[in-house]
This record gives sequence, structure tokens and C-alpha cells, in this order.
Amino acid sequence: QQQVKQSPQSLIVQKGGISIINCAYENTAFDYFPWYQQFPGKGPALLIAIRPDVSEKKEGRFTISFNKSAKQFSLHIMDSQPGDSATYFCAASAAYKYIFGTGTRLKVLA
Amino acid sequence: GAVVSQHPSWVICKSGTSVKIECRSLDFQATTMFWYRQFPKQSLMLMATSNEGSKATYEQGVEKDKFLINHASLTLSTLTVTSAHPEDSSFYICSARGGLGPYEQYFGPGTRLTVT
Repeated sequence: QQQVKQSPQSLIVQKGGISIINCAYENTAFDYFPWYQQFPGKGPALLIAIRPDVSEKKEGRFTISFNKSAKQFSLHIMDSQPGDSATYFCAASAAYKYIFGTGTRLKVLA
Repeated sequence: GAVVSQHPSWVICKSGTSVKIECRSLDFQATTMFWYRQFPKQSLMLMATSNEGSKATYEQGVEKDKFLINHASLTLSTLTVTSAHPEDSSFYICSARGGLGPYEQYFGPGTRLTVT
């Protein structure tokens, strides 16, 4: 019940395309859902986050869609660029502790 | 804002020795700090949660006598890996909460530990 399932494991997108990464959870106590970007050998950097009372949040090229009834949320990266090539982690938080998804390795082809 | 640093960025130590990793919040006071472990191409696994002046809370399966955590101030937490063994080799990352919002965690750049 504490798991956060993330898919796909890896993703290849053409430059300018849309990258979509999905996550699902079971625990209804989760109350905060952030997405992180991690480059090799670096710590994760917060991209965007959402609370469950909101269905969508957009910041620049990044959008989170949240479906509370389905217990699913997704990250959309519009106009994907080669510099977006990284590993993306979703997370879910309860009592300020994070459970991370398994990660998605995104490669954007030039 | 919300910058977290770690020191050292990488360390090599011999089996049986101890190594200390520092985590600092540079521009905010961290109410809570977290320590994670990450194996190559895998996700982050929470090891422990610490609040300033309190004993750390360890996740199930994490040996508290092996991974000593001290949260001496609102800007500094340390992780000491005692009697390190090769299987302790990993990427250790800290995060801190208390920056721009109550929910966000800001991560340090990580420390690569190699035990020979």
C-alpha cells in the first residue's frame, strides 16, 4: 500500500515532442505529489508538485495531471528538449515522508 | 533559495573504518532532514528522518547502530557510516524540509561512498 508505481521505465522522445510519465498509488493518506528530475551523479531537483485538491498544475513546459478517484497522476513535458534527458521520479508524501516511484529514464533525441 | 549542500561529494574508505557525511541547509532552517540511499539506476530509499535535537527515526530494515544520524542544529545533519563494508558502497543523499513550503524537500547533491 506504500508503493508508488511508475511507468514507463524508459522513454525515448523526439525533440519537440511530448513526454508523458505516469504514476499510481494506493494509499489515500498521501497528500502531496512532487516530481523530481535527476541527472547522473547529482541529487534530485524539484520540478513541480501538486496537492490532491487540484486536478492539474502547469509550470512552464511541465504539467501535472492528477486523478484522485483513479489514484493516478502524470507528468507531461511539452516541447521536450535534449537537455530534458534525465531520470524522472514521481513521489507521494504522507506525514511529510516521501515514497518514490521507480524512476523513468527519458532520452530526448535531437 | 532552498539550497542544500553535502560534504564530501565522494569518499573512498577502507573496510572497517567509519565515514561521516555532512548535510547543510544553506539559506533556510530545516525543520526536518532526511537521509536516502540510492543504488545505481534505482530509486531513492528513505533511510531515516531526523528533527533538530531529537533522535532520528529509522525506516524498517535500516541498522541504526550502523548508520548514526546526528541533527545538531537547524542547518546541519550528519550521517556516520560505522564499520563500513563494501556492501555499504552507495550514493547517499540528504534532503531538508522547511524551505519555501511545508511539504517540499530540497535535496543535496549526494555523496558517493566507495568502501574497498
